[in-house]
Amino acid sequence: QKEVEQNSGPLSVPEGAIASLNCTYSDRGSQSFFWYRQYSGKSPELIMFIYSNGDKEDGRFTAQLNKASQYVSLLIRDSQPSDSATYLCAVLSNFGNEKLTFGTGTRLTIIP
Amino acid sequence: DAGVIQSPRHEVTEMGQEVTLRCKPISGHDYLFWYRQTMMRGLELLIYFNNNVPIDDSGMPEDRFSAKMPNASFSTLKIQPSEPRDSAVYFCASSSALGQGGNYGYTFGSGTRLTVV
Repeated sequence: QKEVEQNSGPLSVPEGAIASLNCTYSDRGSQSFFWYRQYSGKSPELIMFIYSNGDKEDGRFTAQLNKASQYVSLLIRDSQPSDSATYLCAVLSNFGNEKLTFGTGTRLTIIP
Repeated sequence: DAGVIQSPRHEVTEMGQEVTLRCKPISGHDYLFWYRQTMMRGLELLIYFNNNVPIDDSGMPEDRFSAKMPNASFSTLKIQPSEPRDSAVYFCASSSALGQGGNYGYTFGSGTRLTVV
């Protein structure tokens, strides 16, 4: 079992709709969770992080964490063509060990 | 803030040659990470440093790979000898503390696209 799993997609969503991206992780002791966006040929850029159960909102983005079920999700409201990218989920296993483990990413396409 | 600076952006080399990738982290960041990204395996951590000291090199694939951080503003990743299967995009990233509430995440450099022919 991979440590961090994501559906590779591609995920196609109409413009203006809600895009939902999911991620599961295997280490129950994981502490913090990150979502990165990576445009083709570019480097990953941090969108959001979350470490408490529940929802965290930032503009059109909402991160959701459920530690009991070991999943984290990212919702993108009012999807725009500029949101078309690969979204990477990353997990920090424990404080003191600063390395992030990344999923392989979900490719999202917003259809105008 | 110039961000994380990597060089070169692209490198094409012949099998068996030595390759050196360079990284300048963000000033004040205590951690530096080297990742490799391929379509098949995604982003894989190779090694990371804290305060210039290597902390975890368990991701370094084999002895052909080595990394150094002689000071807080510079790191190198060397492959010697290079092989076609080393072809990938190599990212350097830096951060301040991720844990203990300092959840700032990493800042990635632009990457070096390495092609070994």
